[in-house]
Amino acid sequence: SYEVTQPPSVSVSPGQTASITCSGDKLGDKYTCWYQQKPGQSPVLVIFQDMKRPSGIPERFSGSNSGSTATLTISGTQAMDEADYYCQAWDSKTAWGVFGGGTRLTVL
Amino acid sequence: QVQLVESGGGVVQPGRSLRLSCAASGFTFSSYAVHWVRQAPGKGLEWVAVISYDGSNKHFADSVKGRFTISRDNSKNALSLQMNSLKVEDTAVYYCAKDRAPVGLDYWGQGTLVTVSS
Repeated sequence: SYEVTQPPSVSVSPGQTASITCSGDKLGDKYTCWYQQKPGQSPVLVIFQDMKRPSGIPERFSGSNSGSTATLTISGTQAMDEADYYCQAWDSKTAWGVFGGGTRLTVL
Repeated sequence: QVQLVESGGGVVQPGRSLRLSCAASGFTFSSYAVHWVRQAPGKGLEWVAVISYDGSNKHFADSVKGRFTISRDNSKNALSLQMNSLKVEDTAVYYCAKDRAPVGLDYWGQGTLVTVSS
């Protein structure tokens, strides 16, 4: 079965740029989504179709996907961005997606 | 506004069954696929199942295939997950989530906790 891999943790200083990667075989041939989950809350979609932002998601969140790696980039990271982030590789043929293991973003 | 409200969670013994429900409102339920996603305590997200907008197509994760079934009643804006032969490793918060065609899950419920324990 298809798998995607994320680093367990990423740290960033306030105001700096955070990059969270998601790797999988020929991942660039699939769509990816990114979700933010804060403690005790349900996940929130922050990026879909590799690079699109849902309404209400700040512009500092952006995404890319090429080759075998998708990347979520948070520019000007704020304390409120501290959360777990999950990538999801989406197979349009089967209409479902596999999640990565998640990355804990720490803003310190 | 879009709302998804799960119910039916609880404590159940291994090998027993449980049925989860998800009540949807604020969108045209019959136009969208809906998913179940679960999260074991302290762990990551795991996709569980999806049902197409009209109920004609269903897919399951290998970990639940043959034990879980998914259904929907578009006349009642309701989604269900029937879980049979439950295992300890099925312990998790179960979320229902709306499909954001063509990709992504754009609205999630608050989740319902299922604990499988003897």
